This record gives sequence, C-alpha cells and structure tokens, in this order.
Amino acid sequence: SAVISQKPSRDICQRGTSLTIQCQVDSQVTMMFWYRQQPGQSLTLIATANQGSEATYESGFVIDKFPISRPNLTFSTLTVSNMSPEDSSIYLCSVVGQGRKTQYFGPGTRLLVL
Amino acid sequence: GESVGLHLPTLSVQEGDNSIINCAYSNSASDYFIWYKQESGKGPQFIIDIRSNMDKRQGQRVTVLLNKTVKHLSLQIAATQPGDSAVYFCAETLTDSWGKLQFGAGTQVVVTP
Repeated sequence: SAVISQKPSRDICQRGTSLTIQCQVDSQVTMMFWYRQQPGQSLTLIATANQGSEATYESGFVIDKFPISRPNLTFSTLTVSNMSPEDSSIYLCSVVGQGRKTQYFGPGTRLLVL
Repeated sequence: GESVGLHLPTLSVQEGDNSIINCAYSNSASDYFIWYKQESGKGPQFIIDIRSNMDKRQGQRVTVLLNKTVKHLSLQIAATQPGDSAVYFCAETLTDSWGKLQFGAGTQVVVTP
C-alpha cells in the first residue's frame, strides 16, 4: 500500500484565518480525495482532487471554502478558508493506487478553530 | 449519510472471544465494500474488502460476510485482542465511482481483559 503523510498533523487556529493542509504520497496514485471527520462522527467526502484541473466537490462543499490543488500524481493540498469553530474536524487525505485495488487513508490533520 | 450525534454504538468484548460487528449499507447498487479500523488519533486503516460477487472473504483473523438481499455487511474478528480496540467503519461504493466511499456510522469496540 502507498505511504501517505499529511502536514500539519494538528493545528489550533483563530476564526477568520485559513489553513492549508498538505498530502504527500510515496508513489504515483490514480486518485486522491479529501474527507472530513467531525468530532465523534463518520467520514464525509469533501472532493476529488484532480491532477491539473479543478477539484470535483460533493454536495455541501464549495471551492471558495475548500480550495484544492493537485499539481502532480503524488501531492495535493486542501485549504480551509475563513475558518469558524464549526470547521473543527479531522481532515483526511486518501488515495487509490494505480492498480485500483482499494483506497488508503493518511493519518489525518486535526484542526481546532477557536 | 453521516451519523448523527456523538455517541457511537459500542461493542464490549472479552479478550479471546470472537467479535461480530454489523453494518447496514444504503445503496443496493453498491458493488464494493471495505472495512476500516480507526485507532484513536490515527487515520482509518484498511482491514479487508469484498466485492458483490462474493458473500464471504477471509483474512488473517478477520472474516467479512456480505448479504446483498438485506444489504448487510459484517466483520468477524477471531480471538479478539487488546490491540483490536478501535472504531470500525464499513464503507460502500460503486467501482465505477472510485473514491466516493459512503461510510457507516462506526462501531466502537472495547476489548476487556
């Protein structure tokens, strides 16, 4: 399976600011995704990060709030913009390898907005 | 959809016993299912998967059962160990929609000595 790292692992931010989360994979992958996991809850897909083009967002998530980049096959960023306390969550990057066997998750970024 | 509320269903299991974790999935068209284990402070870890053309698949100490008639998935863990304490999620998807995983609410497994 691919080794996935995320930076930062955790952060505490003030409301109104923005945070960019990085996801790095140790091998080229077919697909990359960003999920949100609110406290004590399950995971929800935010968007599919498309290489070299705009991300595909799920219902309830918009580009202005969660801009995403994917400049190559091993790296993606998610920005949480104009943060409010409701954005306090774990943000997770996941990937599907080139063999398309299954989907693996990174360790997550734990965000607390005050 | 997302689970509601902050209280996950909890399964308390004695060390050495077998665990059975159940999941009802929502889309009858889903053809690929995954079980993940999430330990505190970590991301979900892949355990085992199953495709809709199968009704049972075995791994190391784990077995997944799929009943498409009632849209039910279960994960059996043999000889549960303290390291199995975690939250377990089932996820479903259509292989034509790779990545659009729909997650279940999750079950907290607590292994007691």
